[in-house]
Amino acid sequence: AQKITQTQPGMFVQEKEAVTLDCTYDTSDPSYGLFWYKQPSSGEMIFLIYQGSYDQQNATEGRYSLNFQKARKSANLVISASQLGDSAMYFCAMREGLYLGSAVNDMRFGAGTRLTVKP
Amino acid sequence: EAQVTQNPRYLITVTGKKLTVTCSQNMNHEYMSWYRQDPGLGLRQIYYSMNVEVTDKGDVPEGYKVSRKEKRNFPLILESPSPNQTSLYFCASSTRGGPDRIQETQYFGPGTRLLVL
Repeated sequence: AQKITQTQPGMFVQEKEAVTLDCTYDTSDPSYGLFWYKQPSSGEMIFLIYQGSYDQQNATEGRYSLNFQKARKSANLVISASQLGDSAMYFCAMREGLYLGSAVNDMRFGAGTRLTVKP
Repeated sequence: EAQVTQNPRYLITVTGKKLTVTCSQNMNHEYMSWYRQDPGLGLRQIYYSMNVEVTDKGDVPEGYKVSRKEKRNFPLILESPSPNQTSLYFCASSTRGGPDRIQETQYFGPGTRLLVL
């Protein structure tokens, strides 16, 4: 079963505007972590932000923030004041606490969302 | 500089010609993993290794082999590549233990683009 769902294959945003990239997840484990990665056209995977299931506040890292709605099982990435350099593929991923003692299915990834920032 | 390196970065080969993609990390990480990335599918785990001489299958292991003889190296071997193995491959590493590991990001290599003709 798909554990991480990113429903937006592609998104467009005007430079300097904010954009939200959607991510929903499926787990019965009370302990889990959610990650967002950026993949520019050069191909490397860049870690952006982390949210733990027990964290009381939404994570923020500079222009990136995570809109964490636990009851809805969603962890949307918000990028404020978009820049041309934000154009990239963005992946949502989850690590479940059940597997902490092993590496089975260590980190599950969504299919990704391609963000294009227009000048 | 802490990093994961992969070689080669780009490879074009023909069906059936054995190839190896090397992966090396300098962070003394116990855990290493190989993923393949395909459009619309995200990253899928091929094999992983918890430590030296400990490897196991991920979600899509068919057609691949790995070995972990040294802590820093985790090569991916395609004994007889086929066109459906054309993909972007990533090696990743992280520390293994501790209750805080759930928040530990994986460190990714730069990726290897493989085309099998």
